[in-house]
Amino acid sequence: AQSVTQLDSQVPVFEEAPVELRCNYSSSVSVYLFWYVQYPNQGLQLLLKYLSGSTLVKGINGFEAEFNKSQTSFHLRKPSVHISDTAEYFCAVTEGGSQGNLIFGKGTKLSVKP
Amino acid sequence: EPEVTQTPSHQVTQMGQEVILRCVPISNHLYFYWYRQILGQKVEFLVSFYNNEISEKSEIFDDQFSVERPDGSNFTLKIRSTKLEDSAMYFCASSNQASGSGDTQYFGPGTRLTVL
Repeated sequence: AQSVTQLDSQVPVFEEAPVELRCNYSSSVSVYLFWYVQYPNQGLQLLLKYLSGSTLVKGINGFEAEFNKSQTSFHLRKPSVHISDTAEYFCAVTEGGSQGNLIFGKGTKLSVKP
Repeated sequence: EPEVTQTPSHQVTQMGQEVILRCVPISNHLYFYWYRQILGQKVEFLVSFYNNEISEKSEIFDDQFSVERPDGSNFTLKIRSTKLEDSAMYFCASSNQASGSGDTQYFGPGTRLTVL
């Protein structure tokens, strides 16, 4: 069975600092990986996804993530955060070729301080 | 930009009552999903729906739950007899193709269900 672990439940960071949100997954089959963001009182919005090919994936709002198969990780990074990046970030996985139900991590609350 | 909508945004009900949560997926999408998030816990998959039938469901989705696409636009989740532990945020999602092909699921803003 697949599972996703987001090691950090909360990450406080100052504006313009770099940030990395960690995500590890476990699966015995090929997977697709996703990062979603949830702003307060809003639904989940896709930031980026990894399907195949280049292991470095660029998404919206300046975020990127790197797929590392040997470490079963898909960490999310941004070189310089803004106050507006304050939100909860969810890593998710789905099994390739399946109907596509997403397995989510518990989420990481990113808090950007001025 | 097309979006998934959900109504109501907040539903309060008494234990044992039936509730229906409504979703309008993106119009040309073919795959529909329900997820829930109990406060402080993970977003959990409930059910997926394609071609007017359930394609996959989780252990959470027991006989108390049902889904329906009553017309060409709505997708509903019914909980027949609510329990306290059904209190959660319920998210609807839709995609054009199965996400197992890599397609993106688009999520609605959620309905917060409170069971008293």
